[in-house]
Amino acid sequence: QQPVQSPQAVILREGEDAVINCSSSKALYSVHWYRQKHGEAPVFLMILLKGGEQKGHEKISASFNEKKQQSSLYLTASQLSYSGTYFCGTESYGGSQGNLIFGKGTKLSVKP
Amino acid sequence: DTGVSQNPRHKITKRGQNVTFRCDPISEHNRLYWYRQTLGQGPEFLTYFQNEAQLEKSRLLSDRFSAERPKGSFSTLEIQRTEQGDSAMYLCASSSRLEVEFFGPGTRLTVL
Repeated sequence: QQPVQSPQAVILREGEDAVINCSSSKALYSVHWYRQKHGEAPVFLMILLKGGEQKGHEKISASFNEKKQQSSLYLTASQLSYSGTYFCGTESYGGSQGNLIFGKGTKLSVKP
Repeated sequence: DTGVSQNPRHKITKRGQNVTFRCDPISEHNRLYWYRQTLGQGPEFLTYFQNEAQLEKSRLLSDRFSAERPKGSFSTLEIQRTEQGDSAMYLCASSSRLEVEFFGPGTRLTVL
């Protein structure tokens, strides 16, 4: 089942913060976050495997809730380079390892 | 450059023609994935290899599509009798046991 990402799009001024959510109706084995700029390949940001996990650094971080059904990506003090489309890719229990199902993406635009 | 490479980067073909794409994964990665991405959507899983064995194929992969990974190194994706609906970006990704998938730059296919 395709995860649901929200919001679909967000516009920020440099220095503002954003949160992107990725939700599933069932518990997930893992969540992978990627950023893709127009015409380029998705670039890996981070992977979360454990319920309650939080990782990343102060600028870009992510969490995975205890039930492993929702992950959030936190972008702090956004920079122009953060612009792009953010995708979460999810693996389900019982599914083939690495068979990621991606959400439809969240388009982030950071303006000066 | 030791990343995933794909060739060609762009392919324009006429409906009904056959096309073949190549993916060279990161050298120590034993897992290789093919995804398809259309405009405004996240990548969609097509197929997955572990070494030379093709372990899973999506139902999106019709009988016109075939993928190989001889000797567990590079992989090819062939589309026979192309249709306009095949127009998309075809992405290859590779991973090791660490599960992180690294994407190549993709091959953009346009079927006229």
